Amino acid sequence: EVQLVESGGGLVKPGGSLRLSCAASGFTFSSYSMNWVRQAPGKGLEWVSSISSSSSYIYYADSVKGRFTISRDNAKNSLYLQMNSLRAEDTAVYYCARDADFDYWGQGTLVTVSS
Amino acid sequence: QSALTQPASVSGSPGQSITISCTGTSSDVGGYNYVSWYQQHPGKAPKLMIYEVSNRPSGVSNRFSGSKSGNTASLTISGLQAEDEADYYCSSYTSSSTRTFGGGTKLTVL
Repeated sequence: EVQLVESGGGLVKPGGSLRLSCAASGFTFSSYSMNWVRQAPGKGLEWVSSISSSSSYIYYADSVKGRFTISRDNAKNSLYLQMNSLRAEDTAVYYCARDADFDYWGQGTLVTVSS
Repeated sequence: QSALTQPASVSGSPGQSITISCTGTSSDVGGYNYVSWYQQHPGKAPKLMIYEVSNRPSGVSNRFSGSKSGNTASLTISGLQAEDEADYYCSSYTSSSTRTFGGGTKLTVL
């Protein structure tokens, strides 16, 4: 059974940093691209970043470019999102999702940016 | 990275069919057959319902179907059931190798 479990969310002050993790199981993690998608409270889905299976290709939404860094460790079956210079508008539930079609999603982790 | 355009809400009675549109440009929806649709119930993670315009993942009811014409993709749900009441989002690959979502459509089953 495919499972994606996010962690690392919490309350952080504007300008602060946070690192999200996504632990994958039930499939060959190293064979799939992975993504981060976020959803602000009461709002729609927003694609944040994608990383190819071998980390060769990385893409970011304009809204996070230069502030967020996606990475993965295939040996640990884990996906990461390093978030720096956080802003109030980054407040959202962050989901990790598998593959180009986002065929499996985690349950999400809430990031709140507030003073 | 502009969002795709979806109607804010649609509604239908049990047993009826509804269609949700998703309009983009030639740089996303119109340029690639990589349009997906997701169902999201309140407080839950999204679930993939349609991928690559018209393909259904294993386990998804055949009441759900997808299509595309030009820059507009569509999700049709036939034989509406109460459990179909949810938010629906479209997504497309873009010419920048990024992904973009629609604003979401709230489906109400009357």
